[in-house]
Amino acid sequence: ETGVTQTPRHLVMGMTNKKSLKCEQHLGHNAMYWYKQSAKKPLELMFVYSLEERVENNSVPSRFSPECPNSSHLFLHLHTLQPEDSALYLCASSQHDSNTGELFFGEGSRLTVL
Amino acid sequence: AQTVTQSQPEMSVQEAETVTLSCTYDTSESDYYLFWYKQPPSRQMILVIRQEAYKQQNATENRFSVNFQKAAKSFSLKISDSQLGDAAMYFCAYRSPRGGGGGSQGNLIFGKGTKLSVKP
Repeated sequence: ETGVTQTPRHLVMGMTNKKSLKCEQHLGHNAMYWYKQSAKKPLELMFVYSLEERVENNSVPSRFSPECPNSSHLFLHLHTLQPEDSALYLCASSQHDSNTGELFFGEGSRLTVL
Repeated sequence: AQTVTQSQPEMSVQEAETVTLSCTYDTSESDYYLFWYKQPPSRQMILVIRQEAYKQQNATENRFSVNFQKAAKSFSLKISDSQLGDAAMYFCAYRSPRGGGGGSQGNLIFGKGTKLSVKP
């Protein structure tokens, strides 16, 4: 398997549920990202991990909790979500010291909160 | 803070014709990267083309080329000989260089996107 893979592709959950999104990259990168994509809005950066250390947290509510156990894996733990959290959640990776500045994206996890 | 503006929510082009997607950005930095990403209905965002701000020459990738006007802070994408497979959302994005000011760790700042339809 190559590239950036995300699971699950689709997730429906109630507001009281606890679930997790998973991202795995096979590109040998050392930086990983979570973005939120909502309709009619630009992609919003949520979290950045570089060398397994969280380096950015863009005022994301605490009901979203990221975890980066190693440079290849990134999780987004979800609990007590709100309907407005329904969106496509995109994972991306990059090489932290790369001169190209390019991010590689997964296909996303479509989250619906009932 | 940097911003990216795509003023065309939707565009349409006839197959085999040429279309230009607009993008403007605002920054006080002199060195940065600009990107066009494509997101087809399958949803995976893929890089179409990249431009380094220090390069005066416009980037080209096969049927895709950009018109980079640094002074005007404009970065348009031209798609020549449009194909049905070009139908997608196109996002313009800005990234600070590693360690640069503004975007922390050089994260991407996206525009809202332009939905491109290709008519057979």
